[in-house]
Parts: sequence; C-alpha cells; structure tokens
Amino acid sequence: DAMVIQNPRYQVTQFGKPVTLSCSQTLNHNVMYWYQQKSSQAPKLLFHYYDKDFNNEADTPDNFQSRRPNTSFCFLDIRSPGLGDAAMYLCATSRGGGVQETQYFGPGTRLLVL
Amino acid sequence: AQSVTQLGSHVSVSEGALVLLRCNYSSSVPPYLFWYVQYPNQGLQLLLKYTTGATLVKGINGFEAEFKKSETSFHLTKPSAHMSDAAEYFCALRGPGGGADGLTFGKGTHLIIQP
Repeated sequence: DAMVIQNPRYQVTQFGKPVTLSCSQTLNHNVMYWYQQKSSQAPKLLFHYYDKDFNNEADTPDNFQSRRPNTSFCFLDIRSPGLGDAAMYLCATSRGGGVQETQYFGPGTRLLVL
Repeated sequence: AQSVTQLGSHVSVSEGALVLLRCNYSSSVPPYLFWYVQYPNQGLQLLLKYTTGATLVKGINGFEAEFKKSETSFHLTKPSAHMSDAAEYFCALRGPGGGADGLTFGKGTHLIIQP
C-alpha cells in the first residue's frame, strides 16, 4: 500500500544535541509538510516543500531546518533542541496543485528532550 | 488571517447516541474544510472534506458534515456512536492557494463514548 512512513516512532535526545527525524513516502506526491503537535494542542505547520521549493512558515524558529534530497524523502533537523521542542512531529504529503488535494499523514515521531 | 474554532474540548455521548462535533471557521476567501481523526499515538486520518459543490459531505465510518456558509460552520455528525469512535477529532481549513497550502487546525475535540 502507498503510504507515508516516519522513523523512528519515538526519539529521545538530550538538551542541545542535534536530532534528525525522517519521513518517506511511496505516494510520489509533490508536496511534503512537517507539522509540530504539542501535547493536547492542534498540529502547527512548520514548513513544506513543493518539489524542491522550500516554504517556511513565518513563525517557525530558526532552530528547525528541513532537507528534501529527493521526491521520496524529507528530513526535519532540530539543531539545538530545547525542552519546549518536545512534541509529536507529523509528516504529511499531498499531490499539490488542485483544490481537491488531500493531505496524507504519517504516524508521527514523538520527540522527548531530556 | 484564517482560523478554526472547535467548540468543546471534550464531548461525551452514550453508545448509540447522536454525535455532534462543532466547528466554525473564519476565512476571507471560500474555504476548503476538512475533518481528521486521530487515535492515540497515531497520525491523522481524513474523515471527509469539503471543497466545492454539495454542501452535505459524507465521509468514512458513517460520519458526515454540512458546510453552512451563512453560519461559517462545518459541524461533524454521526447518527449512532460506536465505542470505536472514541478519538481526537480535528477540523481544519486550507487557504486559497490550492493543494500546496498547509492546513490550519482547530484545537481538537476529544470524543468520549460512554457504554
């Protein structure tokens, strides 16, 4: 089945230690998104890639970066995680373009910062 | 700016009773509206969406929602609740930029099903 895969499902890191979260997709979608969801809150868009074009949300901290080396993979890098960055990180994809497009979400990676 | 408001952070219904989850939105342009469900420690699954056309939208698992422009609402309903419906439900709005725009989510409603 075509799907959005996130690895690992759980990630523990230390305060200030860089961490990378991974997302891959077999849907061949043009657009890949990263959302941050803190406990009992709504998911919040951090940024997205439309093909190779990177689109950052205005209020996304500089501590968060992303890379998309090819269509299938997208990475979220947190350069110096703080305690406040503990959250579920959701990757999503869409074909992009048309108004009918749906975003398909992966299962998420739960990040714990010690 | 766009926004989504979900009334009631927790809703409790008895098994077999009507489910009604409320969502109101604010948008300066015609919105595209979505309902997603999230089970514990899982990602979001699309229940249904409204883009254009028919205002009553049917989704998976017996859910439906009606877009009411005059009331700026997109409430989610299900005639008869099942225990498996217990989950977090998010209403979301996408901007006018089309398929590449990110979603703006409401804060979510936790649905509790009483046996």
